[in-house]
Amino acid sequence: GDSVTQMEGPVTLSEEAFLTINCTYTATGYPSLFWYVQYPGEGLQLLLKATKADDKGSNKGFEATYRKETTSFHLEKGSVQVSDSAVYFCALFRPSGGYQKVTFGTGTKLQVIP
Amino acid sequence: EAQVTQNPRYLITVTGKKLTVTCSQNMNHEYMSWYRQDPGLGLRQIYYSMNVEVTDKGDVPEGYKVSRKEKRNFPLILESPSPNQTSLYFCASSLIRTSGYEQYFGPGTRLTVT
Repeated sequence: GDSVTQMEGPVTLSEEAFLTINCTYTATGYPSLFWYVQYPGEGLQLLLKATKADDKGSNKGFEATYRKETTSFHLEKGSVQVSDSAVYFCALFRPSGGYQKVTFGTGTKLQVIP
Repeated sequence: EAQVTQNPRYLITVTGKKLTVTCSQNMNHEYMSWYRQDPGLGLRQIYYSMNVEVTDKGDVPEGYKVSRKEKRNFPLILESPSPNQTSLYFCASSLIRTSGYEQYFGPGTRLTVT
């Protein structure tokens, strides 16, 4: 079945450091890929998405490129801020017949310290 | 304001006492879904609905029921809650697109079953 694997957290960075959160997936066909962010005490919000190979999603300084050859969708940001502290979820969507399924990773907690 | 609302936000109940968690969206979305979030397991899909009167099981449907009598509402029903259903629950909705579902999440319902 489909699966999403994210790097273990928590990840602790100093402000202005470079961020990478790894995400790899297993799925047949051509899934769409997403990054969601969850701030403390809130629901998830869509951060960015990519719907086909080599697409780059970007938003709020975050970027991720859909790499079909390595089945990866790593999240990056050049300079993190304290306000980026949150839990980040990688997810994939792959319709299979009449079944519309979304698979989430386990989440990676990011803590940015001043 | 476009939003997904859930009620209640917090609930403590006892084993076997039927409960309903309501979910409502004001964006005219066709797709709605329920997830539970548990430490180390990420989000797991319980049930989803493609439209009114159309529902289907996700990854962990045992012990839950849903209904979709109106497009805007998608209640989650626990007929006989058990302690292993203690969790953080999220409702989400989206438009149906072939490129994948950009889901809007509610704020979450923290359920404790004693």
